[in-house]
Amino acid sequence: DIQMTQSPSSLSASVGDRVTITCRASRVIANSLAWYQQKPGKAPKLLVYVASRLESGVPSRFSGSGSGADYTLTINNLQPEDSATYYCHQYYSPLQTFGQGTKVEIK
Amino acid sequence: QVQLVESGGGVVQPGRSLRLSCVASGFTFSSYAMHWVRQAPGKGLEWVAVIAYDGGNKFVADSLKGRFTISRDDSKNTLYLQMNSLRSEDTATYFCAKDFRVYSSGSFQNFDHWGQGALVTVSS
Repeated sequence: DIQMTQSPSSLSASVGDRVTITCRASRVIANSLAWYQQKPGKAPKLLVYVASRLESGVPSRFSGSGSGADYTLTINNLQPEDSATYYCHQYYSPLQTFGQGTKVEIK
Repeated sequence: QVQLVESGGGVVQPGRSLRLSCVASGFTFSSYAMHWVRQAPGKGLEWVAVIAYDGGNKFVADSLKGRFTISRDDSKNTLYLQMNSLRSEDTATYFCAKDFRVYSSGSFQNFDHWGQGALVTVSS
């Protein structure tokens, strides 16, 4: 299986800050990488796919980048409603895997 | 609009079986691969299984192979997850999710829609 190492596991930032979450795959996954946002008690919501394509309706302060085995989710101008847990997800292999998650808290 | 509604969750004793269902609407179910993803209480997401749009390819997480089986009935727009020999560590909310790309068979994509989840509790 492809292992996904996501960091940090949690962070605390202020409204207006820029936040970066990283994900490293155990092998090259050729941009087959998505990011999801999950709020407590809810299903995850797709934010970014193919490493950098923003899902329709997702605010432009979210962006994805990366290549090879290393990928990043950036949230610019952090807003209170961005408080959530974020997961990376590789779909390069049919046996798909998720990162461990990053809990983002607003100071 | 796309809707995915899971059912069949509940409390089950260790070693017993349970079948989850996911009824889909708002899209052409038979054209899309479908996935199951689970989340143990307070833990992260774990991919469980995928079935191709035509049922021709199925993949199950290595850790669950031999106990969990994924299937679909396109006449009922329904996805299933058969779970056998359940263990306490299978306690989780189980989500069904729709694959992003139409006609996915041997390779699959991210998920663009999720159900609300069904809670399975394995306990004596």
